[in-house]
Amino acid sequence: GEDVEQSLFLSVREGDSSVINCTYTDSSSTYLYWYKQEPGAGLQLLTYIFSNMDMKQDQRLTVLLNKKDKHLSLRIADTQTGDSAIYFCAESFTGGGNKLTFGTGTQLKVEL
Amino acid sequence: EAGVTQFPSHSVIEKGQTVTLRCDPISGHDNLYWYRRVMGKEIKFLLHFVKESKQDESGMPNNRFLAERTGGTYSTLKVQPAELEDSGVYFCASSQVSIEAFFGQGTRLTVV
Repeated sequence: GEDVEQSLFLSVREGDSSVINCTYTDSSSTYLYWYKQEPGAGLQLLTYIFSNMDMKQDQRLTVLLNKKDKHLSLRIADTQTGDSAIYFCAESFTGGGNKLTFGTGTQLKVEL
Repeated sequence: EAGVTQFPSHSVIEKGQTVTLRCDPISGHDNLYWYRRVMGKEIKFLLHFVKESKQDESGMPNNRFLAERTGGTYSTLKVQPAELEDSGVYFCASSQVSIEAFFGQGTRLTVV
């Protein structure tokens, strides 16, 4: 079955690194995604990683994928107050029509 | 280019009433998805259109929900009659043949 889990809250200080974790149970996923939702806004795709990759870096964002442990993480370097939002991990499957299975979301709070 | 737009942004209705949510996808996107987030839980897939055809409606909770996409352009999601447990945020997303789905800002539905 499909199940994606995340911790609900994370609080960091401005300038520190944030690491948001996600675990999933279905090993047949093709792509894994990180979406960001700011208050009152829709879901914004931050980054994604193909399931045969271990790592992807995009400016301040680093995605790590451990397929053996079915663990995905998002590291935000030099976290800013504008990074405060809910972060959702999601997975999709080959042949699934890009249907996404989301986690519960992690509320990131950045404190001064 | 206009993004995915959803109407209304917020709706409050009484139990037993009918509500219709609308989604205008990005022009030219054949794929249209509906998702729902209930009470701070995970975002769950409802259904997927390819043009005007329902590709996958496995996430539709029950027959009180009816989705249409006449002409393959905008889509409506009608809830009739609404129940308390239908409260949540309904998201629409669209995509072309790519791995990235673009989300609207969501419709917050409150059933009282």
